[in-house]
Amino acid sequence: EVQLVESGGGLVQPGGSLRLSCAASGFTFSAYWMHWVRQVPGRGLLWVSRITTDGTTTDADSVKGRFTISRDNAKNTLDLQMNSLRAEDTAVYYCVRNGGLGAFDIWGHGTMVTVSS
Amino acid sequence: DIVMTQTPLSLPVTLGQPASISCRSSQSLVHSDGNTYVNWLQQRPGQPPRLLIYKLSNRFSGVPDRFSGSGAGTDFTLKISRVEAEDVGVYYCMQATQSPYTFGQGTKLEIK
Repeated sequence: EVQLVESGGGLVQPGGSLRLSCAASGFTFSAYWMHWVRQVPGRGLLWVSRITTDGTTTDADSVKGRFTISRDNAKNTLDLQMNSLRAEDTAVYYCVRNGGLGAFDIWGHGTMVTVSS
Repeated sequence: DIVMTQTPLSLPVTLGQPASISCRSSQSLVHSDGNTYVNWLQQRPGQPPRLLIYKLSNRFSGVPDRFSGSGAGTDFTLKISRVEAEDVGVYYCMQATQSPYTFGQGTKLEIK
């Protein structure tokens, strides 16, 4: 079964750091671009970061310089290192596969990040 | 950034009746390769988003054929031919033509 499982969310103080991880299974992880998308509970979706198959990364302006997306194809994992966290980063973070042809086709169940003092 | 604007934001529908959601982009979503990378996603209560339609009009695996996507350039539509109870949730259009990828605000479909 094709699956993405996120972990690492939690409560962190403003200015703090957190590292999210996403474990992929059921498909050839190295062959796909991967993304992080976030959602404030009850609100809409916001794209955060992307990493291509060759490791090229692109980030939303709102997280540029603070968040770093990375992948380990040997371990089939996608990570998001989040530094200098702000209250407005509070959201559910989803790991998403780009299945080709622009299709955001597989979504994890998400991990909640709360930034609060 | 490309802005995706959905209408309506709330959509009450009678079971068995059709439903239609519109999405307009602030600029053309035709990629340099000629394709239009528009996705439609469904988010049921308490669930992560689920892909329904990709590349404008292609139904994803397992998606019922009552869902269809259409459009061109800057105007796009998701249609449900006959709404069923399991279709309750929020529907999002999104563009994957150009980074940063952007989503519509969401349309909440409910049963009348």
